Amino acid sequence: SYVLAQPPSVSVAPGETATLTCGGNNIGSNSVHWYQQRTGQAPVVVISYDNDRPSGIPERFSGSNSENTATLTISRVEAGDEADYYCQVWDSDTDHWVFGGGTKLTVL
Amino acid sequence: QVQLVESGGGVVQPGRSLRLSCADSGFTFRNYGLHWVRQAPGKGLVWVAFIANLGNNKYYSDSVKGRFSISRDNSKNTLFLQMNRLRAEDTAVYYCARGPSEGGSLSDAFDIWGQGTMVTVSS
Repeated sequence: SYVLAQPPSVSVAPGETATLTCGGNNIGSNSVHWYQQRTGQAPVVVISYDNDRPSGIPERFSGSNSENTATLTISRVEAGDEADYYCQVWDSDTDHWVFGGGTKLTVL
Repeated sequence: QVQLVESGGGVVQPGRSLRLSCADSGFTFRNYGLHWVRQAPGKGLVWVAFIANLGNNKYYSDSVKGRFSISRDNSKNTLFLQMNRLRAEDTAVYYCARGPSEGGSLSDAFDIWGQGTMVTVSS
């Protein structure tokens, strides 16, 4: 089955840039979505199809996807960005949907 | 306001059954495929099952295939997850999430999520 690898944690100071990665075999050929989950809340999609921002998501959130790594970039990080972030793809070989293990973003 | 609301969670003994429901408001239910996703306490998100907008295609994760059954009643705007032969490892918050619109792609994002319902499997 397809596996997505995310670092368990990333820490960044307010105002700095957070870079969250999602590794997968040839993930660049898949469409990657990113979800933010604040403590005790349901997930919210923050980036779809590699780099599209849904309505209401700040421009500070952006994404990229190439070869074996997809990346979520959060510029000018704020305290409210502290959350767990998950990448997700659809695996067409198995018709299964796959989530990465998640990265906990801590704002110092 | 577009939203999904889950219900039916609770505490159940191993080997027993439970049925979850998910009701929508604010969008044309029959036009969208729907997913169930679960999250064990302190753990990450895991996809469980998907059903196409008309109910004609269904997919399951390997961990629940043969035990869980996804269905929907478009006349009542409700999604279901029938969970049989429950195990301790099925303990989780269960979310329903909106998938692709009719004619959309299976690779579409999960764009609307409910608040989840907790299922605890314990003797």
